[in-house]
Amino acid sequence: QKEVEQNSGPLSVPEGAIASLNCTYSDRGSQSFFWYRQYSGKSPELIMFIYSNGDKEDGRFTAQLNKASQYVSLLIRDSQPSDSATYLCAVILYGNNRLAFGKGNQVVVIP
Amino acid sequence: DTGVSQDPRHKITKRGQNVTFRCDPISEHNRLYWYRQTLGQGPEFLTYFQNEAQLEKSRLLSDRFSAERPKGSFSTLEIQRTEQGDSAMYLCASSLRQVLYMNTEAFFGQGTRLTVV
Repeated sequence: QKEVEQNSGPLSVPEGAIASLNCTYSDRGSQSFFWYRQYSGKSPELIMFIYSNGDKEDGRFTAQLNKASQYVSLLIRDSQPSDSATYLCAVILYGNNRLAFGKGNQVVVIP
Repeated sequence: DTGVSQDPRHKITKRGQNVTFRCDPISEHNRLYWYRQTLGQGPEFLTYFQNEAQLEKSRLLSDRFSAERPKGSFSTLEIQRTEQGDSAMYLCASSLRQVLYMNTEAFFGQGTRLTVV
């Protein structure tokens, strides 16, 4: 089982719609969760982090965490063409306290 | 410049040659990570340091790969006898470890793109 899984294929959303991304993790003891955005050819940049169960909102972004289900999600409201990128889910693993990434989900916002 | 710096940005090498990459983390960041990323994949963990101590190496890291962080500041990643499969983006990230299990985020450098021909 992979440490962090993001299984959805490329996601196309119309401008102004909501993009929803999901991530599951294997280490039940993990406490810290991150969403990074990566534009093509660029390095990842942090957009959200979440530590507690529930929702965390930051502008047009909302991260949701459910530790019982080992599930993290990211919602992008009012999607803009500039949101077109790959979104990486990352987790601090409890066992060895290092940062592990999923393979990412590509989002394409269609004007 | 207060960000993570990587050098070189691009490297083309012939198969069998050795290459070395450098990473300068954000000042006072005590944790430094190396990742490898290929097209369509997320960053794959290679190794990380807490100050000068190398705490973990990925099982995927062959003996041809070695990393150092001699004074707990900059780090180098060396690949010996490069193979075409080593072609990838090599990313360095640093973070400031604070409360146990509640790390601050990791900040990435721009990466070194390696092409082995």
